[in-house]
Amino acid sequence: EVQLVESGGGLVQPGGSLRLSCAASGFTLNDYAMHWVRQAPGQGLEWLSSISWSGRTTAYAPSVKGRFTISRGNAGDALSLQMNSLRVEDTAFYYCAKGYSLSYSSASLDSWGQGVLVTVSS
Amino acid sequence: QSVLTQPPSASATPGQTVTISCSGGRSNIGSNTVNWYQQVPGSAPKLLILGNDQRPSGVPGRFSGSKSGTSASLAISGLQSEDEADYYCAAWDDSLDGGVFGGGTKLTVL
Repeated sequence: EVQLVESGGGLVQPGGSLRLSCAASGFTLNDYAMHWVRQAPGQGLEWLSSISWSGRTTAYAPSVKGRFTISRGNAGDALSLQMNSLRVEDTAFYYCAKGYSLSYSSASLDSWGQGVLVTVSS
Repeated sequence: QSVLTQPPSASATPGQTVTISCSGGRSNIGSNTVNWYQQVPGSAPKLLILGNDQRPSGVPGRFSGSKSGTSASLAISGLQSEDEADYYCAAWDDSLDGGVFGGGTKLTVL
């Protein structure tokens, strides 16, 4: 059974940094593209970032480009999202999701974690 | 303002069929496949339809998707109370080189 578990969320001040991790089990992480999606409280889904199966190709939403970095762990068993220069509007639940295919350029996300809350506030 | 446009709400009675629309443009729906997600409040989203009209394993046949040009639709037939949820369409956007979601449609089963 595919399982994704996010960690690393919490309260951070504006301008601060946070690193989210996503532990995967039940499949080989490096065989699929992986994605991060967020949802502000009471709002809709927002795609944030994707990484190809190899890790060589990444993509970011304009709202986070230059501030967030997606990466795969060296051991191929985890996904990370490094978030810098955090803003109040980054407050949201952050989900990691498994891509249906190898390609990063797809919006078919067939398994999701339960999400982790990031609160940016002074 | 979402790149993909969905009606904010829809409603129907049990047993009826409800259709949710999703409108986009040439760089997203017009060029790539459409996916639909179901999100029950308090839970993570779940992939309902991929590749315009394909149901992942375990998704009931009551759910069906279609696409024409730059628009797509999700139809739910034989509506059940447990179908009450938020539904999102999503596609890759070649111009943005990123994923885009619709704003979501809250489905109420009366």
